[in-house]
Amino acid sequence: DMKVTQMPRYLIKRMGENVLLECGQDMSHETMYWYRQDPGLGLQLIYISYDVDSNSEGDIPKGYRVSRKKREHFSLILDSAKTNQTSVYFCASRTGGNTGQLYFGEGSKLTVL
Amino acid sequence: QQQVRQSPQSLTVWEGETAILNCSYEDSTFNYFPWYQQFPGEGPALLISISSVSDKKEDGRFTIFFNKREKKLSLHITDSQPGDSATYFCAARFYTGGNNKLTFGQGTVLSVIP
Repeated sequence: DMKVTQMPRYLIKRMGENVLLECGQDMSHETMYWYRQDPGLGLQLIYISYDVDSNSEGDIPKGYRVSRKKREHFSLILDSAKTNQTSVYFCASRTGGNTGQLYFGEGSKLTVL
Repeated sequence: QQQVRQSPQSLTVWEGETAILNCSYEDSTFNYFPWYQQFPGEGPALLISISSVSDKKEDGRFTIFFNKREKKLSLHITDSQPGDSATYFCAARFYTGGNNKLTFGQGTVLSVIP
C-alpha cells in the first residue's frame, strides 16, 4: 500500500523559531512535493524535488528551503518562522510516467504565534 | 495569478441530485487534468483524470466533461451521496518534457444533504 508519512502532524511555534517538517515515502518515487493549503487559495506549490539533491522552486518558495538527502525522505525547513506561514503543509510523492499520480500525506498543521 | 479557477466555492445538493463542479484554466499548454478529492483531516487523493485528447471521461458516478476550445472542464457527480461531501480540486499540468509541476485550483466544497 502506497503511503506518504508526515511528521509532526501538529506544531505550534513562536515567530522567529525554526521549523522542520519531515516527509517520508516507501514507494521509491523520484519526484516529491511540498504544498501549503490555505482557505480559499487551494494548494500552492512550494518546492519540487526530482531526486536526491535535485530540488526546484515552486510558485511560493520565499521563506522556505528543502532538503532531500535520501530518495525516500524530503524535508521542509522554515528558518525564522513568520505568522503568515501558519498553514497546513502537505507533502506528496509522484508515480512515474506522463500522467503520474500524486500521493499526499495527511498534512502538518503549523501555527506560528 | 490564478491559472486554474474553480466555481462555485461551495455547493450544497440533496442526496440523489447531480452536483456540477466547474473549472477553467488559462495556460493553453496544459494537457492533463486530474481531479482530487479531499476529506477533512486528510490529504487529497486522485479521483479521476482526463487528458486533452478526450472530451469526456467517466468513472462510475463521476464524469469529466472537457471543452478545449473554451479551456473549461466540469466534474459531474450523479446520484450524489452524503459520503461524497468533501473538497474537490481541479488541477492542470503540461505533461511532456519532464515537467512535473501540477497547478491546483482553489477547490469547491461539496455538501450532500441526506
